[in-house]
Amino acid sequence: DTGVSQDPRHKITKRGQNVTFRCDPISEHNRLYWYRQTLGQGPEFLTYFQNEAQLEKSRLLSDRFSAERPKGSFSTLEIQRTEQGDSAMYLCASSQTGRSVEQYFGPGTRLTVT
Amino acid sequence: GIQVEQSPPDLILQEGANSTLRCNFSDSVNNLQWFHQNPWGQLINLFYIPSGTKQNGRLSATTVATERYSLLYISSSQTTDSGVYFCAVAPGAGSYQLTFGKGTKLSVIP
Repeated sequence: DTGVSQDPRHKITKRGQNVTFRCDPISEHNRLYWYRQTLGQGPEFLTYFQNEAQLEKSRLLSDRFSAERPKGSFSTLEIQRTEQGDSAMYLCASSQTGRSVEQYFGPGTRLTVT
Repeated sequence: GIQVEQSPPDLILQEGANSTLRCNFSDSVNNLQWFHQNPWGQLINLFYIPSGTKQNGRLSATTVATERYSLLYISSSQTTDSGVYFCAVAPGAGSYQLTFGKGTKLSVIP
């Protein structure tokens, strides 16, 4: 297994711009999760996919945020009209279905909105 | 939603000392994980332990699901153990989202 990968690792953008992040889960993991972590806090859940279906969404996921997993493999998270409050680390995780639901995390994308 | 409390929030240890980190949660869970977050932000899986006891080298963990707490033991601490330790739980019953505690920041000094 190559682990969960995320791209880019760092993104600096100006307020009002749109950004898109990509996550590639561990192969054969059909569940994929997005979390957000701000400085000094634990990660907070944003949304979750099983295959291509988006099954859970947090209230943190405002209308400016959209996530997709079109073919049940990689996922993208888009933030439109970024705000300074969106500055955070965006983490992706994946897990299998079955007895163990252990989640494995990627290295994260650190977003800075100036 | 489920609440997760970790203690202590900060811990400073001399190299070679032992420590116990605690995680309390407010409801039954089907997933409990302990992570170590390194200085670059990567969450490293330590244990998947919704119940029972596991050991991995100098680390061990115990979850008493009926009493809704988990303990992470670090023995003979090393400077490389420094970082933030997170406990995270998921309630199951169709919900797989992890709820994290605020973490314990461990500093191991030589």
